[in-house]
Amino acid sequence: QLRLQESGPGLVKPSETLSLTCTVSGDSISSSGYYWGWIRQPPGKGLEWIGSFYSGGNMYYSPSLKSRLSISVDTSKNDFSLKVTSVTAADTAVYYCARQGTWNQFDNWGQGTLVTVSS
Amino acid sequence: DIQMTQSPSSLSASVGDRVTITCRASQSISNYLNWYQQKPGKAPKLLIYAASSLQSGVPSRFSGSGSGTECTLTISSLQPEDFATYYCQQSYSIPYTFGQGTKLEIK
Repeated sequence: QLRLQESGPGLVKPSETLSLTCTVSGDSISSSGYYWGWIRQPPGKGLEWIGSFYSGGNMYYSPSLKSRLSISVDTSKNDFSLKVTSVTAADTAVYYCARQGTWNQFDNWGQGTLVTVSS
Repeated sequence: DIQMTQSPSSLSASVGDRVTITCRASQSISNYLNWYQQKPGKAPKLLIYAASSLQSGVPSRFSGSGSGTECTLTISSLQPEDFATYYCQQSYSIPYTFGQGTKLEIK
């Protein structure tokens, strides 16, 4: 059974870097043939796609975040990571990782992790 | 970016009612439209993909239709567990974008 689990600090100071990891079990990031992605949701607000990647090398970022964003993959650990630099209060959100299906739908989600940007 | 607009933004209904939520795109997205259900404190759950394909394990009272710039999600007979917020998402082009959500409440 596929399971995704986000992990990382719940509190980040303004101007610092937000770092999260998504650990995948029940499927192989490198051989599954799927894309994988990050989505976030500010408290009480809607969903925002952050970025997606394919282990073969394709990487797609939201234009609004691209200059501060990086996604990396560790196939040996079957996990992938998100870094957002120079964070502000506007980056406070629940961050989800998810698997992306053949129609680019997000068909399996992690439980989400709340990251608060505050001094 | 493709803008997704859902209507209504909120909806009150009773158990057993038939409910329809509409999602309009700012340009044609063919049938690259997905629907999610989200309950408080939980991750979104995929209900419908490719506008009308029912995700495995989702009850058949949920259905989707449409293409181009307008799609709909219909719940044929509301059950107590269906009261939640629903989001549409276009997966036609990057950046993928979501509608603002429709909150379905008990009347």
